[in-house]
Amino acid sequence: DAGVIQSPRHEVTEMGQEVTLRCKPISGHDYLFWYRQTMMRGLELLIYFNNNVPIDDSGMPEDRFSAKMPNASFSTLKIQPSEPRDSAVYFCASTPGQASPYGYTFGSGTRLTVV
Amino acid sequence: SQKIEQNSEALNIQEGKTATLTCNYTNYSPAYLQWYRQDPGRGPVFLLLIRENEKEKRKERLKVTFDTTLKQSLFHITASQPADSATYLCALEPMEYGNKLVFGAGTILRVKS
Repeated sequence: DAGVIQSPRHEVTEMGQEVTLRCKPISGHDYLFWYRQTMMRGLELLIYFNNNVPIDDSGMPEDRFSAKMPNASFSTLKIQPSEPRDSAVYFCASTPGQASPYGYTFGSGTRLTVV
Repeated sequence: SQKIEQNSEALNIQEGKTATLTCNYTNYSPAYLQWYRQDPGRGPVFLLLIRENEKEKRKERLKVTFDTTLKQSLFHITASQPADSATYLCALEPMEYGNKLVFGAGTILRVKS
């Protein structure tokens, strides 16, 4: 398996523009997570899905953020409109289940810069 | 409030020595605790998981302990090598929050040859 695949690796956009981040989890993993990492706040959980259903989106900062998982092999995180404070590295991760001995597998992340 | 605290200062050690990293938590009741390694520009990589009923777990040169009374986990790397230099993250899966892995800020480890 190629692991968790995220695209794009880097995104630079102007304030007010829509940004869409993409993630392909590992096949067979029932859980998918979106995290955001900044120097100030570290790794923060934004939302997670179980079997394509959103379970907890309490970490989504505002209504400008939305996430979908239309099928088991694809998820998107959308920011509309984007703001400079959204600049961060966004990670997608997947895991087979709770307390998996394999832990979470993270993608390489998308570095988002909003100017 | 709930907190996960890791050494904020970087840990600098000499090659061959044992590195010990600390993770303390407050106001959580974790069923499991995990350790991850993160290199610059990369995503975290899973290292070890330890359950609340396990005191210690080992994997090659790595050892993790979990003391639910002290609310602390220690992460040891024996015979450290420069290639072990990275940021190490502690993460909890609190029972009361379902499948939400909550991360500490991480500790930077630098192993000098």
